[in-house]
Amino acid sequence: DGGITQSPKYLFRKEGQNVTLSCEQNLNHDAMYWYRQDPGQGLRLIYYSQIVNDFQKGDIAEGYSVSREKKESFPLTVTSAQKNPTAFYLCASTPGAWAGELFFGEGSRLTVL
Amino acid sequence: AQSVTQLDSQVPVFEEAPVELRCNYSSSVSVYLFWYVQYPNQGLQLLLKYLSGSTLVKGINGFEAEFNKSQTSFHLRKPSVHISDTAEYFCAVSNNYGQNFVFGPGTRLSVLP
Repeated sequence: DGGITQSPKYLFRKEGQNVTLSCEQNLNHDAMYWYRQDPGQGLRLIYYSQIVNDFQKGDIAEGYSVSREKKESFPLTVTSAQKNPTAFYLCASTPGAWAGELFFGEGSRLTVL
Repeated sequence: AQSVTQLDSQVPVFEEAPVELRCNYSSSVSVYLFWYVQYPNQGLQLLLKYLSGSTLVKGINGFEAEFNKSQTSFHLRKPSVHISDTAEYFCAVSNNYGQNFVFGPGTRLSVLP
């Protein structure tokens, strides 16, 4: 079945460490997105990529970095510069030029101790 | 810029009772509208979407929503809820190119026995 796979599901890290969250999709979608979810705040866009080797900052990109070397992969690195990294992170994708609905992965919960 | 308001952060309701979850949006351009559901520690799943045509949209799990352009609303309804409907519900809007998704803060629906 086609879908979006995020790993790991749960991750614990010490303060000051960089962390990379994986997102892989086999839907052949062109566009991929990273969202951050905090209680009571809905979803906020971190980064998005509409094509391989190109990505754009979203509303809360500070302290995060991404790469898009392959169409199916869009990893997110949470750097030590992110002041409050504990959150639920969601990866999503859309088919392309006419984006339509977002398809979501199962999410990764990062806890920084 | 687009924005989404979900007026109720929490809605408790008894099993088999009807429910309405409210969503209002603001936008200077034509929009597409979506409702997503999220179960604990999972990603978001599309319930229904309005792109064009009939203003009454039917979705999965017996949910429906009505697009009201004059009131800029897209309220979600279900005539009889089940315990399994307990989840968080997000209203979202995109521009009519299916881009620039904006999410509301979410409404937590609790179905009581």
